[in-house]
Amino acid sequence: QVQLQESGPGVVKPSETLSLTCSISGGSISSHYWSWLRQSPGRGLEWIGYVYKSGGTSDNPSLNGRVTISIDTSKSQVSLKLRSVTAADTAIYYCARHLGSGWYAPFGLWGQGTMVTVSS
Amino acid sequence: DIQMTQSPSSLSASVGDRVTITCRPSQSISTYLNWYQQRPGKAPKLLIFAASNLQSGVPSRISGSGSETNFTLTINSLQPEDFATYFCQQSFDYPRTFGQGTKLEMK
Repeated sequence: QVQLQESGPGVVKPSETLSLTCSISGGSISSHYWSWLRQSPGRGLEWIGYVYKSGGTSDNPSLNGRVTISIDTSKSQVSLKLRSVTAADTAIYYCARHLGSGWYAPFGLWGQGTMVTVSS
Repeated sequence: DIQMTQSPSSLSASVGDRVTITCRPSQSISTYLNWYQQRPGKAPKLLIFAASNLQSGVPSRISGSGSETNFTLTINSLQPEDFATYFCQQSFDYPRTFGQGTKLEMK
């Protein structure tokens, strides 16, 4: 059974870079799109971006180009970097596997999420 | 971006009741609408995809319908485990967007 596990620092200082890793176990990282999402009381559920096995990515314009998402198929990991963080980036961060590889695919499987607080 | 509006934002019901939640996108999205359930402290879980397709393992008392700009999630014969928050999400275009959620509480 495929499992996703997010990991990374729980606290990040303002203006620094938030770095998270999603480790995938029990299944192949290939043939799927992988997304990062976040959830906060003020912003609700927000899609951050996705990556595919080829390394192709897309991210949410609302994040103003601060996002880098990458994939390491040899380690079965997907990574997120969010630069120049502010308190507004405080949220629970999730990685998710798309259901299938089509353009319209929903988020079929989610990790448990990891809380990140931006604070000095 | 496509704005997703859910109603109601909260709902009180009893075990055995039938409830309906509505989701209205700001533009037509054909049937590219998904529903998720989130229990406290847990990640969202996919229930329905493409408006009316039940995800594997989801009980058949849960159903979805609609198209274009009007969608509904219906739960028949509410069970204790159904009391949670429900979100709609469009997969018609990027950036993907979600509704604000409907909290289903026990009366």
